[in-house]
Amino acid sequence: ETGVTQTPRHLVMGMTNKKSLKCEQHLGHNAMYWYKQSAKKPLELMFVYSLEERVENNSVPSRFSPECPNSSHLFLHLHTLQPEDSALYLCASSQDLERGGETQYFGPGTRLLVL
Amino acid sequence: DQQVKQNSPSLSVQEGRISILNCDYTNSMFDYFLWYKKYPAEGPTFLISISSIKDKNEDGRFTVFLNKSAKHLSLHIVPSQPGDSAVYFCAASIQGAQKLVFGQGTRLTINP
Repeated sequence: ETGVTQTPRHLVMGMTNKKSLKCEQHLGHNAMYWYKQSAKKPLELMFVYSLEERVENNSVPSRFSPECPNSSHLFLHLHTLQPEDSALYLCASSQDLERGGETQYFGPGTRLLVL
Repeated sequence: DQQVKQNSPSLSVQEGRISILNCDYTNSMFDYFLWYKKYPAEGPTFLISISSIKDKNEDGRFTVFLNKSAKHLSLHIVPSQPGDSAVYFCAASIQGAQKLVFGQGTRLTINP
């Protein structure tokens, strides 16, 4: 499989649930990103990882917890979310952090609904 | 404060005509600009980019124009085709700053 994959594609969860989003990139890239896309808003950068180390956290609430066990995999652990967290969550990768301001490659996203 | 703005949430164009999508930015430090295209149920895919040392970059039917003094860029698609119907995101970066700043997107619909 090529490119950037994300699972699940759709997720419905209650506010007390704990769930995880998974991202895998098959491009040999060293940098990975989590974005949130809400309706009619710009993509919001949440977290940046380079070589499995978190290099940026854009004031994201602690109910979102990222994990990067290796350079190919990125997780977003979710717990006690709020309905306003419902959005499309996109994962992306770039060849390395220095090229993060150039081309990034995106997965198809996970559409999350919090009830 | 939103640094990259796409003020038209939607645009409808007849097949065969020119589509022009616009993007404005506020940060004069931005020196690299990109357009991404997004179909429903898919992630954004890179379309075309331009560095601030240029004012035009062309790739087939797609041309991006950059007006640094106006802090404005535009994407021209000619001729427009039904497969061009998608959401188009403008993005900007400061090279070496390691991240992209996105606009909110413009939904383009090409009518047959």
